[in-house]
Amino acid sequence: NAGVTQTPKFQVLKTGQSMTLQCAQDMNHNSMYWYRQDPGMGLRLIYYSASEGTTDKGEVPNGYNVSRLNKREFSLRLESAAPSQTSVYFCASRGSGNTIYFGEGSWLTVV
Amino acid sequence: RKEVEQDPGPFNVPEGATVAFNCTYSNSASQSFFWYRQDCRKEPKLLMSVYSSGNEDGRFTAQLNRASQYISLLIRDSKLSDSATYLCVVTPMNTGFQKLVFGTGTRLLVSP
Repeated sequence: NAGVTQTPKFQVLKTGQSMTLQCAQDMNHNSMYWYRQDPGMGLRLIYYSASEGTTDKGEVPNGYNVSRLNKREFSLRLESAAPSQTSVYFCASRGSGNTIYFGEGSWLTVV
Repeated sequence: RKEVEQDPGPFNVPEGATVAFNCTYSNSASQSFFWYRQDCRKEPKLLMSVYSSGNEDGRFTAQLNRASQYISLLIRDSKLSDSATYLCVVTPMNTGFQKLVFGTGTRLLVSP
């Protein structure tokens, strides 16, 4: 029962490097989200996708891009990583109900 | 003012104690309310939804006070395993796409 799977779990990047966080869900959900979580800031929405083929900016989109590749997959790309992007990233999905299901998180450090 | 505010804690309580957390929200048109639980270095997971009439799930009771714009979570007979961070979540009305706003969480530590 996989639910929401995101990779990698841990990553260290140098400033200016790029990388993509991958996320896939097997619950046939339409809505998918990317959040970042920082101490004292709570979970903040980066981008979301209400359905396949659509994406929209959330609260903190600067420095990120996303792709909703198909209904299952929603990736987050950092084109030029900055130390301010050091954070824990959570992918999530939601079906027709209100419950949102999270992946296990990706710990990213930018040095 | 933040859309959703919580006391960060930590709340330190002994096993068996009763503890309550509040969460205030600023948007009076908020539509849905939830409590999520997050263990250290883990993802948040839904604990319970909060209904207008209040609701209970075992040792956990959630209540909504629309007039004062807060929700509460009461935990009775605390267990060591209840130690976690509790996140208040609110969905504002009229967002077209339901946007969930998370509080920063209240940390609970239950000791033997």
